[in-house]
Amino acid sequence: DVKVTQSSRYLVKRTGEKVFLECVQDMDHENMFWYRQDPGLGLRLIYFSYDVKMKEKGDIPEGYSVSREKKERFSLILESASTNQTSMYLCASSLFHLWGDSYEQYFGPGTRLTVT
Amino acid sequence: AQSVTQLDSHVSVSEGTPVLLRCNYSSSYSPSLFWYVQHPNKGLQLLLKYTSAATLVKGINGFEAEFKKSETSFHLTKPSAHMSDAAEYFCVVSDQTGTASKLTFGTGTRLQVTL
Repeated sequence: DVKVTQSSRYLVKRTGEKVFLECVQDMDHENMFWYRQDPGLGLRLIYFSYDVKMKEKGDIPEGYSVSREKKERFSLILESASTNQTSMYLCASSLFHLWGDSYEQYFGPGTRLTVT
Repeated sequence: AQSVTQLDSHVSVSEGTPVLLRCNYSSSYSPSLFWYVQHPNKGLQLLLKYTSAATLVKGINGFEAEFKKSETSFHLTKPSAHMSDAAEYFCVVSDQTGTASKLTFGTGTRLQVTL
C-alpha cells in the first residue's frame, strides 16, 4: 500500500522561528510536492522536486525553501515563520512524468501549522 | 495556462438522492483531469482520473465523471448519496508539460449529506 507520511499532524510556532516540515514516501517516486491548503482557495503549489537535489518553484514560493537530499524525503522550510503562513501543509508524491501521460499524486495526511 | 472552476462551494443532498458536483476547466493542452476527495482531518484520495481514453470515467465508491470537451466540463456524479460521502471534493487539471505533472486545483465543493 502506498504511503506518504508527514512528521507532524499539528505544529505551533512563534513568529520569526525557523520551521521544518518533513515528508517521506515509500513508493520510490521521483516527484515530490509541497502544497498549502486554505479555505476557499483549494490547494496551491509551493515547490516541487523531480529528482534528488532538484527543485522548482510552484505558484507561491515566497517565504519558503525546500531540500531533497534523498529520494524518499522532501523537506519544506519556513526561514522565518509569519502569521500569514498559518495553514494546512500537504505533501504529495508521484511517478516521473512521461510526455502524454499524467500520473496521479499520492498525498500525506497534512500538517496543520499555526504561527502565533 | 490552465485553470479549474468548481461552480458550487457547497452542495447539500439527502441520503439516497443523486449527487452532481460541477467542474469546468481551461487548458491549452489535451488535459488530464482528476477528482480528489478529502474527508475531515484526512489527506486527499484519488476518486477517478481522465487521461484521453473513455470519456465516461468510473471511480471508487460509485462515483463517475464525464469529460465533455465541447463544454469544457468534467462533472462528478453518483446515483445515490451515502452519509459516508460527506466530504470536500476537488476537481483538478494537470499540466502535461515539463518533467513533473503539475496539478491545478479547484477551490473545492463541500458535500453535505442529510438523512
